[in-house]
Amino acid sequence: KAGVTQTPRYLIKTRGQQVTLSCSPISGHRSVSWYQQTPGQGLQFLFEYFSETQRNKGNFPGRFSGRQFSNSRSEMNVSTLELGDSALYLCASSLESGPSSGNTIYFGEGSWLTVV
Amino acid sequence: GEDVEQSLFLSVREGDSSVINCTYTDSSSTYLYWYKQEPGAGLQLLTYIFSNMDMKQDQRLTVLLNKKDKHLSLRIADTQTGDSAIYFCAESSFSGYSTLTFGKGTMLLVSP
Repeated sequence: KAGVTQTPRYLIKTRGQQVTLSCSPISGHRSVSWYQQTPGQGLQFLFEYFSETQRNKGNFPGRFSGRQFSNSRSEMNVSTLELGDSALYLCASSLESGPSSGNTIYFGEGSWLTVV
Repeated sequence: GEDVEQSLFLSVREGDSSVINCTYTDSSSTYLYWYKQEPGAGLQLLTYIFSNMDMKQDQRLTVLLNKKDKHLSLRIADTQTGDSAIYFCAESSFSGYSTLTFGKGTMLLVSP
């Protein structure tokens, strides 16, 4: 069974540009969440999608957005990139979005974004 | 608000047991997780425990939960050099089922 797949793995962008990152969850998983990891702030929640609907959103500016497609694949977009957006962006998938026995949440390898 | 605290660094010798500790503040936490991150990689789910359990054992890993003190620990038996990594504790609250709040991570260094 394939794991969570994120593309691209590495990318370099210039300040002011925009970027789109993609995530394919584990087959059958309907919940996709996104996290930003930086040395200073650690792992911070961006947003969660379930059945194409945003269920929850973290404390990030409106430049960060996302969406989920009918096949559960998700994309996140960052517009008007700033140097501080340089980070590892991690996608996580889980079967459901709700309390259930064994709500295991699996992460992908991440997309490394460098803004110069 | 939600907050998860971990000690930053632990150093052990190969073959010893490692114990990584974590405290959390959200009393509505449903699941508590341990993830491992190796350099340049994503997060690997090691184990998790439901908040109504006290202990969970999975091969070399033992998780202990003290809900009264909001304290979680991960014990790794017979620690190997391949266990060297950063270990993250995370909680999911009842309000955000698949939303995790992470600690800053504990760097485990295993020396031969």
